[in-house]
Formats: sequence, C-alpha cells, structure tokens
Amino acid sequence: DQQVKQNSPSLSVQEGRISILNCDYTNSMFDYFLWYKKYPAEGPTFLISISSIKDKNEDGRFTVFLNKSAKHLSLHIVPSQPGDSAVYFCAASASYDKVIFGPGTSLSVIP
Amino acid sequence: DSGVTQTPKHLITATGQRVTLRCSPRSGDLSVYWYQQSLDQGLQFLIQYYNGEERAKGNILERFSAQQFPDLHSELNLSSLELGDSALYFCASSVGIAGDNEQFFGPGTRLTVL
Repeated sequence: DQQVKQNSPSLSVQEGRISILNCDYTNSMFDYFLWYKKYPAEGPTFLISISSIKDKNEDGRFTVFLNKSAKHLSLHIVPSQPGDSAVYFCAASASYDKVIFGPGTSLSVIP
Repeated sequence: DSGVTQTPKHLITATGQRVTLRCSPRSGDLSVYWYQQSLDQGLQFLIQYYNGEERAKGNILERFSAQQFPDLHSELNLSSLELGDSALYFCASSVGIAGDNEQFFGPGTRLTVL
C-alpha cells in the first residue's frame, strides 16, 4: 500500500518556465512533508519542507503548496533551470514516525 | 558532500552469499537510516537506529539485519542473497528522531547479485 504517490514518473519543461511536481498521500496522520532532489550517482539531498499547519512554504525558486483536504502537495520551481534536472522525491511523516518516500518524478529541463 | 560516508561504493556477489554494508553518519548525528532503491522504485525505508537502539522498522526482510555501534557507525548485513536484492542501498543520518528532521544521505552502495 503506497502511502505517498507521485503519479508522474517523468516531466519535461522548457528552461525558464515553471515546473510543477505533484504528490498525493493517503495517511491523514502525516503532519510533515519534505522534498528531496537526487542527481545520478549521488544520494538524495533535502530541498524544502512544509508542516501541516502551513499551506505554503517558499525558498528562493522553490515553493511547496499543501492542500490538506485533498491530501495533495506540489512543488513549484520558477524559473526552471537545466541544473534542476534530477529525480524529485516527495516524502511524508507523522510525528516521531518514520519518513515514507514516494517513487519519485524525473524532471528534465530542456535548454 | 553530505558528510555521510558509505562503503563499499560497489559490491558484486553471488546468490546465497552474505555481505555487510557500512555507514558513518555526519558528525553529531545520532540517527541512522537505511533505505533500499531498486530499479525504477522509490526509496524503501528499511530500518532506523537512534543512539545505538533500533527506533523504527520498515519492510526489512528477515534475511537482513542492522546495528548501530557505540561510535554511531552502522552496518547493514544482507544474507542468503537473492537476485532481487540487487539495488542501491542508501544510508542517511539526522540529528534527532522525529520525521521533521532533515536527513543527510550518503552516496549509496550499489549491490549486484549475480
């Protein structure tokens, strides 16, 4: 039973445009959400997070939106750059419980 | 560089064999996590240790075991290896135990079972 879903395995976006990566979850107990980025041959690196008490968190070009009623979150990257090409993992956790990762979305930013 | 080290980087072995993967967490981090990433799969949580004690368990097979030593490094032991165990194994560390702690990942160990 996949508690964190990323239904788009891949996404291609033109450089300079907006990239929107989506994530859905099923466990209503999740109260913290994170996005990690992974380049080939490297481990994932933390990108941005959001607590369930917020509906938006912004860090430079990256913004995460949380819609608790829909159990949906999205990561917006504006403007997209070729260096953003990577696999993006959505992750979620309930208080003091393990983090559950989604299957990832591979983003390609085309120059 | 995340500060988390994993050895070896690559491991090729045969079915039925036993291997040990090693992880050294970032300085100051007390939690260590192990994840498995198979082809086209996400990161599957295996197990977490905090300051030497098992903290949480995921879908870890009985053939797999792990431990965290007093110096906080961790080892993941995989035995009776099967072809399906071929995967990337990541170790991560964090300061605390809560799910809102940012995890720092090592570069991974690629295990190939022939």
